[in-house]
Amino acid sequence: KQEVTQIPAALSVPEGENLVLNCSFTDSAIYNLQWFRQDPGKGLTSLLLIQSSQREQTSGRLNASLDKSSGRSTLYIAASQPGDSATYLCAVRWGLNDYKLSFGAGTTVTVRA
Amino acid sequence: GAGVSQSPSNKVTEKGKDVELRCDPISGHTALYWYRQRLGQGLEFLIYFQGNSAPDKSGLPSDRFSAERTGESVSTLTIQRTQQEDSAVYLCASSYLTGISDTQYFGPGTRLTVL
Repeated sequence: KQEVTQIPAALSVPEGENLVLNCSFTDSAIYNLQWFRQDPGKGLTSLLLIQSSQREQTSGRLNASLDKSSGRSTLYIAASQPGDSATYLCAVRWGLNDYKLSFGAGTTVTVRA
Repeated sequence: GAGVSQSPSNKVTEKGKDVELRCDPISGHTALYWYRQRLGQGLEFLIYFQGNSAPDKSGLPSDRFSAERTGESVSTLTIQRTQQEDSAVYLCASSYLTGISDTQYFGPGTRLTVL
């Protein structure tokens, strides 16, 4: 069964610390992987999309890596700020002709000022 | 430009009633998706529309759930004879389908509460 797992479910860090968020998936033959941010009462905001042929993507303080052979992706957020507090979701598109996303349950991050 | 919009933002209904949820995708996006997020759980795929192709309904949990899309614009998700387990946030997303860049853009969701 194709599954996406995010551990831990929650994380609390002091401001300025780097954040490391983990995502694992059961089938290495993915098409792409997307990281989202979800704020309470709001929809999802796309952060980064990594194609299966890529090893990493970067946007500002965010960097996402992809290791298909081990079934893992990691989202790094440098120098965390209180405004980074949110739930971060990892989503996998399994194949070219499979357009839906399979989501992990998310990691809820709290950055303490 | 405008993002994905959904209405209503909140809906409270009684068990057994029918509800309709609406999604307006980003203009020009050919693909539209519905997901459901129950409290404390991840998003579950419900249904996907792409142009004039037959929709992928593989995620609909029962025949009480149905959805329609008018061309490449508005979509309506209908839940008949609502049950308490239908309580969730229903999220709509849209995207281009270029085969290269298919980032899904999500609306704010409709929070459905079935009493």
